[in-house]
Amino acid sequence: KQEVTQIPAALSVPEGENLVLNCSFTDSAIYNLQWFRQDPGKGLTSLLLIQSSQREQTSGRLNASLDKSSGRSTLYIAASQPGDSATYLCAVGDTGFQKLVFGTGTRLLVSP
Amino acid sequence: DARVTQTPRHKVTEMGQEVTMRCQPILGHNTVFWYRQTMMQGLELLAYFRNRAPLDDSGMPKDRFSAEMPDATLATLKIQPSEPRDSAVYFCASGRSTHSYEQYFGPGTRLTVT
Repeated sequence: KQEVTQIPAALSVPEGENLVLNCSFTDSAIYNLQWFRQDPGKGLTSLLLIQSSQREQTSGRLNASLDKSSGRSTLYIAASQPGDSATYLCAVGDTGFQKLVFGTGTRLLVSP
Repeated sequence: DARVTQTPRHKVTEMGQEVTMRCQPILGHNTVFWYRQTMMQGLELLAYFRNRAPLDDSGMPKDRFSAEMPDATLATLKIQPSEPRDSAVYFCASGRSTHSYEQYFGPGTRLTVT
């Protein structure tokens, strides 16, 4: 059974810092990996999707990497801003029905 | 700007009552997922439809939960009878199985069962 872990559970940084969020998964037979952002009381916003054959994806200040063999992904946020404050969720898509298994999330607070 | 819509956004009901949640997937998407989010369990999959056919509902308590897609523009999740432990946020997501399988989430239905 796939298990997804995110470290750290919470992170507080001053504005402008670069930061890395970590995601690990136990079964490397994945179809894709998706990073989401969730604001309090809101739904999930997809940030980046990495297919199993890819190593990384970039969107603006965000860069996500995938090392399938070691069961790890990282989300790099450059020059963090207070508007980046949210919970970041990593989700792994399985090779069967492509259903997502979610990590428990990292709660990020960026202070002005 | 295509989005997944869910109704109602909030629902408060008494134990034993029937609850129906509705989801309109993005036009052209052929996969629909129902997830439940709680503080204790996080996000977990309840049911999955492809081309309106249920493919996986192993995460759903069968005795009280049911999920259907009466047509391509509507997915429903029903709880009968509801219990306090069903209190959670229920999310619907849609995607295309012929594409990248990226899932797009709706705003969720926050259910409180008293």
